[in-house]
Amino acid sequence: GQNIDQPTEMTATEGAIVQINCTYQTSGFNGLFWYQQHAGEAPTFLSYNVLDGLEEKGRFSSFLSRSKGYSYLLLKELQMKDSASYLCAVTSQYGNKLVFGAGTILRVKS
Amino acid sequence: EAQVTQNPRYLITVTGKKLTVTCSQNMNHEYMSWYRQDPGLGLRQIYYSMNVEVTDKGDVPEGYKVSRKEKRNFPLILESPSPNQTSLYFCASRLLLGRNTGELFFGEGSRLTVL
Repeated sequence: GQNIDQPTEMTATEGAIVQINCTYQTSGFNGLFWYQQHAGEAPTFLSYNVLDGLEEKGRFSSFLSRSKGYSYLLLKELQMKDSASYLCAVTSQYGNKLVFGAGTILRVKS
Repeated sequence: EAQVTQNPRYLITVTGKKLTVTCSQNMNHEYMSWYRQDPGLGLRQIYYSMNVEVTDKGDVPEGYKVSRKEKRNFPLILESPSPNQTSLYFCASRLLLGRNTGELFFGEGSRLTVL
């Protein structure tokens, strides 16, 4: 089966850096996604990691360690608009299924 | 504009009354999928389809049906809705992995309430 764990909630200050962790156990792992979801809206794609290492995209970076079943999303220079839920998702069955974690609600305070 | 369109966006219905939530994408994506989202449980996959006439169960398929007669459409059918199917439903599509990053494009969601 699959198991994905991420913290339920986090709070950080505007301008700061925050790291959201995700650990997973799955069979047939192909890659790991991070999505952002604002309340009442559809998820939007942030990143996709297949190989070990860090992928940087502007203020957002995502890291993957396949051997440890671990990923994190790093958000720099936090803005109020970054307040949202962040979803970690892994592909299993060699890409046929995408399984989401429950999401981490990030609250950015001024 | 590239998009995934779901209808209806909001629906209140009663137990046992068959309903269909439509999903259409205009990006020529092979892969389409349905998810439901419930508080504390995240997004759970109901059914997915790798291409026309190819569908498979996700993690929570009970009480749902799908069909994929055309590439662009992937309707979700609730033959006899029950209150535990009250949820927020998302349709999503993407190209098959290996041809791109695998980014899923989501519809705006359909909020269903079954009384």
